[in-house]
Amino acid sequence: LAKTTQPISMDSYEGQEVNITCSHNNIATNDYITWYQQFPSQGPRFIIQGYKTKVTNEVASLFIPADRKSSTLSLPRVSLSDTAVYYCLVGDTRYSTLTFGKGTMLLVSP
Amino acid sequence: DAGITQSPRYKITETGRQVTLMCHQTWSHSYMFWYRQDLGHGLRLIYYSAAADITDKGEVPDGYVVSRSKTENFPLTLESATRSQTSVYFCASSDWQGRKTQYFGPGTRLLVL
Repeated sequence: LAKTTQPISMDSYEGQEVNITCSHNNIATNDYITWYQQFPSQGPRFIIQGYKTKVTNEVASLFIPADRKSSTLSLPRVSLSDTAVYYCLVGDTRYSTLTFGKGTMLLVSP
Repeated sequence: DAGITQSPRYKITETGRQVTLMCHQTWSHSYMFWYRQDLGHGLRLIYYSAAADITDKGEVPDGYVVSRSKTENFPLTLESATRSQTSVYFCASSDWQGRKTQYFGPGTRLLVL
């Protein structure tokens, strides 16, 4: 499974757009990129998944350049409730297991 | 209630005792997973199951036993608990359709004294 590198922590203020970048230099052809969010004392929650270009849902956008060696999770106009750990995962959807890294701790301040 | 539940939510035990953590899902998902989460390590996969009576080891299986006699249940047993197994344990499930979205339970906080 391709390994990922993402910042340990990020700080932001309410109302700002937050972009969290994940590096996955050895991503394979069959790998998808998936992001999870985890609030304190809760299990991770699926946010978004993509293979290439751009994916958008009601929560976030995922930008993936043509070489797919990195991806950026974009959270528009964050609020205090977006304070959480965000995990970037890369894996082949033909296989069932996921490998979580240490994630990015996003702290949103007033 | 529909979803994935874990019990107990909190457990304190002593070294050497057997402990079983329960996981139940109501979606009839074929895949179920057990993770542990520790500071500095993130989430690590202990065991997973592709279907009833089919289980496989994850990254950190030593000291744990699982079974899956029914699709909806996936208990995790610590046969002889050790202090190093103090952790938060998460159960998850997924419906295998080519996209690996896993749904996580609320977690069990286990303290081994």
